[in-house]
Amino acid sequence: DQQVKQNSPSLSVQEGRISILNCDYTNSMFDYFLWYKKYPAEGPTFLISISSIKDKNEDGRFTVFLNKSAKHLSLHIVPSQPGDSAVYFCAAIGIQGAQKLVFGQGTRLTINP
Amino acid sequence: DAMVIQNPRYQVTQFGKPVTLSCSQTLNHNVMYWYQQKSSQAPKLLFHYYDKDFNNEADTPDNFQSRRPNTSFCFLDIRSPGLGDAAMYLCATSRDRGLTGAQYFGPGTRLTVL
Repeated sequence: DQQVKQNSPSLSVQEGRISILNCDYTNSMFDYFLWYKKYPAEGPTFLISISSIKDKNEDGRFTVFLNKSAKHLSLHIVPSQPGDSAVYFCAAIGIQGAQKLVFGQGTRLTINP
Repeated sequence: DAMVIQNPRYQVTQFGKPVTLSCSQTLNHNVMYWYQQKSSQAPKLLFHYYDKDFNNEADTPDNFQSRRPNTSFCFLDIRSPGLGDAAMYLCATSRDRGLTGAQYFGPGTRLTVL
């Protein structure tokens, strides 16, 4: 039962263009959403987050959009840079006691020069 | 630099031979987590410690145990590794439990079972 889904295993984008990574979730109890970035041979690194009371959060080149009615969130990276090439994980937390992150399967983003 | 350290980075064990993976943190965070990540899958939470309070996930096999002797260290013990336990094991920490804190991950230990 995959509660957080990233349906695109990979995405290829030209340098300088916008990268859009998508994530869908099924559990309406999720209240907080995070994006993590993972380079090979490293652990995931926290990138940006959004609370369910918001529909947008921006941090530099990174913007996360949340559509609660559609149970969908997306990460926009603009402009995309070669160093953005990594695997991106969407994660969600619900009101379930501990800070239990539920991860999606990840999307491998490749930025082409 | 404050960080989450995992040792070893690569571990090879034999089928059925107990193995221990180590995690340490210099962040002085209250919560430590262990995740299992198999190839092309999402990281899956095995258990976590809130201070000394151990919290096991309902679907974590009994084969997996954990110890947290102090704030800085947490160990993952696999009592009788099977071929299906080959995976990346990620340790993470957070300052506290709650909805808004991010988790900080170590680099992971890749376990191979022969």
